[in-house]
Amino acid sequence: DTGVSQDPRHKITKRGQNVTFRCDPISEHNRLYWYRQTLGQGPEFLTYFQNEAQLEKSRLLSDRFSAERPKGSFSTLEIQRTEQGDSAMYLCASTDAAPGAFFGQGTRLTVV
Amino acid sequence: AQKITQTQPGMFVQEKEAVTLDCTYDTSDPSYGLFWYKQPSSGEMIFLIYQGSYDQQNATEGRYSLNFQKARKSANLVISASQLGDSAMYFCAMSPNAGNMLTFGGGTRLMVKP
Repeated sequence: DTGVSQDPRHKITKRGQNVTFRCDPISEHNRLYWYRQTLGQGPEFLTYFQNEAQLEKSRLLSDRFSAERPKGSFSTLEIQRTEQGDSAMYLCASTDAAPGAFFGQGTRLTVV
Repeated sequence: AQKITQTQPGMFVQEKEAVTLDCTYDTSDPSYGLFWYKQPSSGEMIFLIYQGSYDQQNATEGRYSLNFQKARKSANLVISASQLGDSAMYFCAMSPNAGNMLTFGGGTRLMVKP
């Protein structure tokens, strides 16, 4: 296991379509985080899982966004009815209890 | 609410010299963690260093050290002996307690000149 893996790396979609991203964390990490990063800005926290439980959700996570981690391993982030404002890099990170999360390379979403 | 401010949008440093990247923060949490991440052009966020709010000594990790001044609410990153590979975006971040629900600053772009 070489790190956090995200798929796809790039996604172009038409406005109004649904998209789903996948994150595979480092295998022994029980904590998983999703962040969103727009161009020229720092990442913004979206949501946090400990094992399969979603423990925190940012107010940035509108009703069109849903995240799951069904068996406490990989996670998915779905965006329904995409809007142009959803265009961003979506970053996944994982960690055990220690400070300092390991990030994946992200999924770049472009909504046209 | 937590807030991180990085006032230097861009910095130049000569190769082999030291550089300080500024970070100030604001929080009402009695216990918090401070982090620095590096983001090269490839996009991956790389964890560099961590400082707990109750740690008495400044954190160090190889060429990276964190100059933590709690009364001034600052957590500056010092990179010694800069290398060309240090050219990247650098983000300061904080979280409540020692967790990893991070609030990031806007970043500083560091460019190392040969």
